[in-house]
Amino acid sequence: AQTVTQSQPEMSVQEAETVTLSCTYDTSESDYYLFWYKQPPSRQMILVIRQEAYKQQNATENRFSVNFQKAAKSFSLKISDSQLGDAAMYFCAYRRTNTGNQFYFGTGTSLTVIP
Amino acid sequence: GAVVSQHPSWVICKSGTSVKIECRSLDFQATTMFWYRQFPKQSLMLMATSNEGSKATYEQGVEKDKFLINHASLTLSTLTVTSAHPEDSSFYICSSRGPSGRANEQFFGPGTRLTVL
Repeated sequence: AQTVTQSQPEMSVQEAETVTLSCTYDTSESDYYLFWYKQPPSRQMILVIRQEAYKQQNATENRFSVNFQKAAKSFSLKISDSQLGDAAMYFCAYRRTNTGNQFYFGTGTSLTVIP
Repeated sequence: GAVVSQHPSWVICKSGTSVKIECRSLDFQATTMFWYRQFPKQSLMLMATSNEGSKATYEQGVEKDKFLINHASLTLSTLTVTSAHPEDSSFYICSSRGPSGRANEQFFGPGTRLTVL
């Protein structure tokens, strides 16, 4: 199984500030997908952003952007202008492209937004 | 679009009984669904992949006779926890491979909290 590592169990950010969540992964494949999911207290998993490995351009979704470093196998999430509603668990996920559609999740980072 | 529901959202049962959890795709056909288990403050652990019309594929270490999965239609997969014990208490989440055009994504249900007394 692929290994996805999130080295920050907990992070905090001041409201309106910027925070970066780290994710690294281990794979021998060249083509795959990477995702960031948000899990608020309701436990509903919500897709934040996705990145195709073959694309060099970093994905951006409004206040959320990623820094995808393929050679370093790094996939960090930057949240700009943090809002109270951003407080949640954030999971990084890896998906293979050649077999099935299984996702492999990291251990998660709990983000607290300080008013 | 691509909404996935789960039922029930919360269930309490006695040790030794069986519990069935349903996962439905509401507005698209789901040929592949996934079942995850999540312990408090931990990540999602894939239990099995459910394919419509065929047997589920279980991850290593998951007892297929204890966690029965049935995917009899294109919109419904069920997970039955047989002879439940307190150690089976957990949060169970299903997801579905996305519809055409979004097949590389997974869409998650809201989860089911199982408590076994």
